[in-house]
Amino acid sequence: DAGITQSPRHKVTETGTPVTLRCHQTENHRYMYWYRQDPGHGLRLIHYSYGVKDTDKGEVSDGYSVSRSKTEDFLLTLESATSSQTSVYFCAISDGGSRSYEQYFGPGTRLTVT
Amino acid sequence: GENVEQHPSTLSVQEGDSAVIKCTYSDSASNYFPWYKQELGKGPQLIIDIRSNVGEKKDQRIAVTLNKTAKHFSLHITETQPEDSAVYFCAAAFGNEKLTFGTGTRLTIIP
Repeated sequence: DAGITQSPRHKVTETGTPVTLRCHQTENHRYMYWYRQDPGHGLRLIHYSYGVKDTDKGEVSDGYSVSRSKTEDFLLTLESATSSQTSVYFCAISDGGSRSYEQYFGPGTRLTVT
Repeated sequence: GENVEQHPSTLSVQEGDSAVIKCTYSDSASNYFPWYKQELGKGPQLIIDIRSNVGEKKDQRIAVTLNKTAKHFSLHITETQPEDSAVYFCAAAFGNEKLTFGTGTRLTIIP
């Protein structure tokens, strides 16, 4: 998985609780992404980062926030989890430059909100 | 924004036969088209990609073709094997290092 780890790998939480998912990379890639995967929707971009402290919204960003204080870590936070946020979350990384747009994915985190 | 449509959603082929998955995209400025393979319980894996300056690219049993005029691209898998069974996703690039993904094709190889 291209030097990408995600934690936790599985989590069950209750509606209304905050949740933070972590993505860690050892590739020193500039770009990092958070996607969610749901049946019939493929992979949808939540937020992405183009450098330390530089982040922007994707197509399904409502209810999510992110932070990137170091090159290697990208955190996804659900401030108050809802059942509609039950999903599998994937982190991806990209180096840009001559390998522009090539994204490599982590193993995923399965989140269940009850 | 960019829209990517992928067909079919499911595909079953006999082992040894060929499989073809097709995608269309909406943004004529897109210039990068990757294909990912996802096995059960794992993250998507980049298996082949093509940039807009070429029309076809091959890597052993897999190939991708691109028709920029028609805005569609296809994945071809020849001599299919049981280990090719997986979900395949196409994607197209748009703005600032972002990808838009198709909704996936579940490929089943029948022994």
